[in-house]
Amino acid sequence: DAGITQSPRHKVTETGTPVTLRCHQTENHRYMYWYRQDPGHGLRLIHYSYGVKDTDKGEVSDGYSVSRSKTEDFLLTLESATSSQTSVYFCAISDPGRGGTTGELFFGEGSRLTVL
Amino acid sequence: QQQVKQSPQSLIVQKGGISIINCAYENTAFDYFPWYQQFPGKGPALLIAIRPDVSEKKEGRFTISFNKSAKQFSLHIMDSQPGDSATYFCAVVSGGYQKVTFGTGTKLQVIP
Repeated sequence: DAGITQSPRHKVTETGTPVTLRCHQTENHRYMYWYRQDPGHGLRLIHYSYGVKDTDKGEVSDGYSVSRSKTEDFLLTLESATSSQTSVYFCAISDPGRGGTTGELFFGEGSRLTVL
Repeated sequence: QQQVKQSPQSLIVQKGGISIINCAYENTAFDYFPWYQQFPGKGPALLIAIRPDVSEKKEGRFTISFNKSAKQFSLHIMDSQPGDSATYFCAVVSGGYQKVTFGTGTKLQVIP
């Protein structure tokens, strides 16, 4: 398994509270991604990073912010959680420059967030 | 915007049968077409992928068929096994940062 650790794995919080999810990788991959998975929607890209301090928005970025101060860590923050952000969040990494298959993402095990 | 449309949403196949999952995409600016497999409680994992200049790719019991003019591609699982029971996602890859856009997923159940 790719060395990707997500924390926390499970979290229950209340509407309006801030939440930070952490993704830590030991593979030294350049690109990191945050996806959310919801029934009927598949996986949708929230934000991605192509290097330290280089990030960009995905298709469902509203209400989320990210930071990447080190190659190995990519943080996803919900500034004020809402019930619509109840989801399973997946971190992924890739580095096409290392060869392998184009479009191959390596995923973490997911973080299940419930906003009451 | 839904760039990738996947069907069916769920599929039940008998052991030994053929499972077929279809995807259609909306524009032509994609570099690669992967399929991912996800087991409950796990993250998705790459199963097989195809380039747009190839019409078919086979790896073991898994085959991707690609129709560029129709903007469609499909996954065929031959001799389906109970261990293949999982959710399958088609995807398209674009851009230098490997942005992967996924379909909505197909939950496959292979019954003995």
